[in-house]
Amino acid sequence: KQEVTQIPAALSVPEGENLVLNCSFTDSAIYNLQWFRQDPGKGLTSLLLIQSSQREQTSGRLNASLDKSSGRSTLYIAASQPGDSATYLCAVGSASKIIFGSGTRLSIRP
Amino acid sequence: EAGVVQSPRYKIIEKKQPVAFWCNPISGHNTLYWYLQNLGQGPELLIRYENEEAVDDSQLPKDRFSAERLKGVDSTLKIQPAELGDSAVYLCASSGGDRDYEQYFGPGTRLTVT
Repeated sequence: KQEVTQIPAALSVPEGENLVLNCSFTDSAIYNLQWFRQDPGKGLTSLLLIQSSQREQTSGRLNASLDKSSGRSTLYIAASQPGDSATYLCAVGSASKIIFGSGTRLSIRP
Repeated sequence: EAGVVQSPRYKIIEKKQPVAFWCNPISGHNTLYWYLQNLGQGPELLIRYENEEAVDDSQLPKDRFSAERLKGVDSTLKIQPAELGDSAVYLCASSGGDRDYEQYFGPGTRLTVT
């Protein structure tokens, strides 16, 4: 059974710092991994999708990597801004299921 | 491009009452998902449709929950009767088109059962 873990549950950093969010999964037989952000009271916004054959994806200040063999993905945010404050969730897709982590609540201090 | 549309955005009902949620996916998306999200948790899949066929409903509590996607486009999720523990956010998502598997979410319906 696939389990997806995101640690830490919450993170607070000063504006301008580069930071890394972590996502780990137990079953490496995946199709893809997707990173989302969720603002309070809102739905999920897709940030990046990494197919199982890919190692990383980049969009603006965001870079997501995937290492299937170790069961890990990271989301790198460069030069963080207060507007990046949100909850970040990863979702692992496989043949039978799409499993979400519980998210990391990120707060960027001005 | 219009996003995933959900209604209502908020719903407050008394326990034992029925409730229904509606979702219209992004045009051209064949796959539609209904998720339940509790506070502080990630979404949990309730049901997944490929066109009008429910291909994964293993997590749907079928004694009180039902869903339909009759024409393979919009979908309705129903709870009857609602229980206090059903209070949560119900999210709809869709995927398909030329970027298959990438899910796009609607704003969700926040259900409060009193």
